[in-house]
Amino acid sequence: NAGVTQTPKFRILKIGQSMTLQCTQDMNHNYMYWYRQDPGMGLKLIYYSVGAGITDKGEVPNGYNVSRSTTEDFPLRLELAAPSQTSVYFCASSYPGQGASGNTIYFGEGSWLTVV
Amino acid sequence: QQPVQSPQAVILREGEDAVINCSSSKALYSVHWYRQKHGEAPVFLMILLKGGEQKGHEKISASFNEKKQQSSLYLTASQLSYSGTYFCGTVQDGSSNTGKLIFGQGTTLQVKP
Repeated sequence: NAGVTQTPKFRILKIGQSMTLQCTQDMNHNYMYWYRQDPGMGLKLIYYSVGAGITDKGEVPNGYNVSRSTTEDFPLRLELAAPSQTSVYFCASSYPGQGASGNTIYFGEGSWLTVV
Repeated sequence: QQPVQSPQAVILREGEDAVINCSSSKALYSVHWYRQKHGEAPVFLMILLKGGEQKGHEKISASFNEKKQQSSLYLTASQLSYSGTYFCGTVQDGSSNTGKLIFGQGTTLQVKP
């Protein structure tokens, strides 16, 4: 009963480096999301996906890229890391059908990223 | 697009009640409420849908005024375990098929003995 799994949990990046945050879910959810949460702040939607092969920008997509080649996986790519990308990143997914509109979304445990 | 929550912070004594509000400038399809403890992921509390349907925990109550695009979360007889940050999330009417869920800035609740 894994749910939404994110890796890595913690990572320190140097300015200009790139990395991929991995997210996988085993609940056969169609809808998947990436949020970021800066210290003491709310959750900001980066990208979301309504199914394999379909992705769309959220509120703060700049500096990130996503892909959704399978139902289970939704990796988030950070290109040319900047200090402003220091944050906690949450992946989430929701039931098929209505998606997050009318159903619970399940969050992963988060990935703490520091860019120095 | 981001919903606005009020108040920003609340301090209660055990047993007291609190109301957290969430408002949007856009017509809404659904309102979601989550609670987050420090260092943890948000946890689902309740969903309120356009048309009156609600899904959530039995001990949590909330309202959704579709005409005013407002929702309120009612915390009664608060317990220490209620402490945390409460987030409302909204899906705009017309976006229900995308599931694009946008969260407010959060309301920090502290319950003291």
